[in-house]
Amino acid sequence: GAGVSQTPSNKVTEKGKYVELRCDPISGHTALYWYRQSLGQGPEFLIYFQGTGAADDSGLPNDRFFAVRPEGSVSTLKIQRTERGDSAVYLCASSFINPGLAGSSTDTQYFGPGTRLTVL
Amino acid sequence: QKEVEQNSGPLSVPEGAIASLNCTYSDRGSQSFFWYRQYSGKSPELIMFIYSNGDKEDGRFTAQLNKASQYVSLLIRDSQPSDSATYLCAVIKSGYSTLTFGKGTMLLVSP
Repeated sequence: GAGVSQTPSNKVTEKGKYVELRCDPISGHTALYWYRQSLGQGPEFLIYFQGTGAADDSGLPNDRFFAVRPEGSVSTLKIQRTERGDSAVYLCASSFINPGLAGSSTDTQYFGPGTRLTVL
Repeated sequence: QKEVEQNSGPLSVPEGAIASLNCTYSDRGSQSFFWYRQYSGKSPELIMFIYSNGDKEDGRFTAQLNKASQYVSLLIRDSQPSDSATYLCAVIKSGYSTLTFGKGTMLLVSP
């Protein structure tokens, strides 16, 4: 596709429920990133995939959060037993290649429109 | 010390003026620096990236990088009301592949 797409755009759920957020990266982009943005803050890193594997999941806040990318394209962020503090905008980004080539245009990340998650 | 620091603003400038947005970062080994613009309720949109010391110009935008001072700035010339948004500075730290963002600076351009 032309850009990163995310579904749903909005998700309202009740405390304790399970949610799945989907990200479809730019075609051909090998790297995929999940960030979370709370009101008044910059995005905070959650997890990064290079291909099918999670290259860095150090930003996941706890074991209620999990993400997969089984075929190296679409990714799903899964949140179990949601809490009110999980309410935020969840952003997905993709880039062409692992920025092991630091300082090249290939590490530029392009963001999707985000999913606004509200936990009541 | 926060990893990426920005003045939250708001920075108010009149239409046609130069807006100067500043950012400092703590990781001296960082090599990639980005400016994103974010309109209210929207996702971050890439404006510019810069990797080398000095200036990089793209239309009305100029990014400036000083690695010795660990300082990145964005200048917006001939500011327009449509430039009113939050500007996010982001860095890729050495040894990482992910963006570390500042909290953003809100820019208000008045007609």
